[in-house]
Amino acid sequence: EAQVTQNPRYLITVTGKKLTVTCSQNMNHEYMSWYRQDPGLGLRQIYYSMNVEVTDKGDVPEGYKVSRKEKRNFPLILESPSPNQTSLYFCASSLGHVLGEAFFGQGTRLTVV
Amino acid sequence: DAKTTQPNSMESNEEEPVHLPCNHSTISGTDYIHWYRQLPSQGPEYVIHGLTSNVNNRMASLAIAEDRKSSTLILHRATLRDAAVYYCILSGYGGSQGNLIFGKGTKLSVKP
Repeated sequence: EAQVTQNPRYLITVTGKKLTVTCSQNMNHEYMSWYRQDPGLGLRQIYYSMNVEVTDKGDVPEGYKVSRKEKRNFPLILESPSPNQTSLYFCASSLGHVLGEAFFGQGTRLTVV
Repeated sequence: DAKTTQPNSMESNEEEPVHLPCNHSTISGTDYIHWYRQLPSQGPEYVIHGLTSNVNNRMASLAIAEDRKSSTLILHRATLRDAAVYYCILSGYGGSQGNLIFGKGTKLSVKP
C-alpha cells in the first residue's frame, strides 16, 4: 500500500530538547516536503526536497532542519524546540512537485512546553 | 505566486451535487490547478488536478473556465464523508518551483 509514514504521531517535549520527527515513503518519490498547520494560519511549508541531497527552504523554515540522505526518508529536526513550534506537522511526497498527486502522512502533533 | 480565492464555507445536502468555486485570475500559462481536501483529524488528500481541459476521476470532476481564471470542483453526489476543507491550489514550473501553497480553503458541510 502506498503510504507516507510519520513518527511519532504525538509528542510532548520541553523547550530546548532536540527532537526528530521521521518521515518515510514507499513510493520511490523524488519530491518530499514538510508542512505545519496552525489554527487560522492554515498549512505552511517548512522545507522541501526535490531529490536526495537537495533541500530548500519553504515559507517558515526558521528553527527547523531537514536532511535527505536517502530517497525514502526526510526527517524534520528541531535542534532547540520552542513553544511557538507547537503545531500539527505533515510530511508529503510526490513523483514531482507539479505532477500531482501528493501523498500526505497522518500528521504529528507536537507540543513544546 | 499566483493566488486563489475560495468561499470560506459552503453547505450541501447529502446525495446532491456540490459545486465548489475557485478564482485564480493571475494564473500563468504553466500553472496546474490542483484540488486537495482535508478531512477532520487527517492529512490533506489529493482530489484532482488539471491544466486546461476538464478532468474527471472517481472522486470528482474539475471544470476549468476557457480563460483559466476560474475553476469549479464538482462532487456529483455528496456524502457525509465528503465533509472537509477543500483547497484549490495553483502549482507550476514558475518561481515557486511547483510547491503546493495552501490557502484557507472552503469548509464544506454536508447535511443528512
